[in-house]
Amino acid sequence: DTGVSQDPRHKITKRGQNVTFRCDPISEHNRLYWYRQTLGQGPEFLTYFQNEAQLEKSRLLSDRFSAERPKGSFSTLEIQRTEQGDSAMYLCASSHRTGGMNTEAFFGQGTRLTVV
Amino acid sequence: GDSVTQMEGPVTLSEEAFLTINCTYTATGYPSLFWYVQYPGEGLQLLLKATKADDKGSNKGFEATYRKETTSFHLEKGSVQVSDSAVYFCALSERTGGFKTIFGAGTRLFVKA
Repeated sequence: DTGVSQDPRHKITKRGQNVTFRCDPISEHNRLYWYRQTLGQGPEFLTYFQNEAQLEKSRLLSDRFSAERPKGSFSTLEIQRTEQGDSAMYLCASSHRTGGMNTEAFFGQGTRLTVV
Repeated sequence: GDSVTQMEGPVTLSEEAFLTINCTYTATGYPSLFWYVQYPGEGLQLLLKATKADDKGSNKGFEATYRKETTSFHLEKGSVQVSDSAVYFCALSERTGGFKTIFGAGTRLFVKA
């Protein structure tokens, strides 16, 4: 396993269009997280899944954002009707929880979204 | 809620200088603490971690000690190299619920030859 992979690495879209990003976590990891990072800031938590269940969503995740992890493996993050303020790096991370212990999060290289 | 505060950058040092990047945290529980590094054009990489008080995390010459009494996790390196130029993020992870990671704003380090 080569780690967390994200696709695409870069996306340029026009305002108002919908975009979808994909994340493939480390294969044995049951937890998957999405973060957003804007220039000069640290990553901000958006949402996380344990297996296929979405267990927490940040208030940063507006109604235009939806995330899925249908089979408990890969995940998608969709942004509808994109706005210029959505321009950011979207990071995916995965970790494994077993017996009350949790590994640290391993991050992908991110998808950089530019809304023009 | 939980939060992380780290010193603002950029920090500019000459090669072989001593590095300290300060980090303090606020947490309701007893978190694990991390330093992540982001090199230009790359993703976040875990640099080091500590999971309990007085633990010292170390990697690639970098060190940080979990200080519960001062709620701090300062990053140090005795002799920096040009290749250490990057953005460094201090972070904590809750031990309950989602175990999500909360990051500081990052400190950019420039090392001059």
